[in-house]
Amino acid sequence: EPEVTQTPSHQVTQMGQEVILRCVPISNHLYFYWYRQILGQKVEFLVSFYNNEISEKSEIFDDQFSVERPDGSNFTLKIRSTKLEDSAMYFCASRYARGLDEQFFGPGTRLTVL
Amino acid sequence: LAKTTQPISMDSYEGQEVNITCSHNNIATNDYITWYQQFPSQGPRFIIQGYKTKVTNEVASLFIPADRKSSTLSLPRVSLSDTAVYYCLVAARSNDMRFGAGTRLTVKP
Repeated sequence: EPEVTQTPSHQVTQMGQEVILRCVPISNHLYFYWYRQILGQKVEFLVSFYNNEISEKSEIFDDQFSVERPDGSNFTLKIRSTKLEDSAMYFCASRYARGLDEQFFGPGTRLTVL
Repeated sequence: LAKTTQPISMDSYEGQEVNITCSHNNIATNDYITWYQQFPSQGPRFIIQGYKTKVTNEVASLFIPADRKSSTLSLPRVSLSDTAVYYCLVAARSNDMRFGAGTRLTVKP
């Protein structure tokens, strides 16, 4: 069964450093998402991406964040200058089409900012 | 986006049927109701989706009354492995989903 993969599984970084989280969505999917989940809290929507552009973003997704689909298979989330409060689990998800199709989530990347 | 309200937590025992109700009083005409399950340190996983009446799949049933202001996820004969957080989401086809706090279900032996 096809699945969304994410690398690395755990990333430790120093405050102020840039990090890139990588995701490989399911190959025929067209819509891509990033979510984050701070330990013990709810899953928070960050951004959705379709046709090589952002279609929607939340108030969390400020100028420190960017997304890219550089090569037609990878989908990346970049945090330019990490803060302590960016420590969270980051989930990538993909969906074939908007609407009734389910979103398939990856296993997540745990980001720890020291 | 429609606001959803679910119980924070529920306990059950193996073999019992579990019903988790979600309230969404301001659901819009073009909104669908979707339930996801999340195990610790894993991404959410789709369970079921519906618009009205009843939907059933191999995992669960979803009951939606005529006014659509609430929905009930029914898990038949739960096992210990059903211990997870269950999220109710309401969104239109054109909108992206926003998760609430969810219901933490604990299944006891």
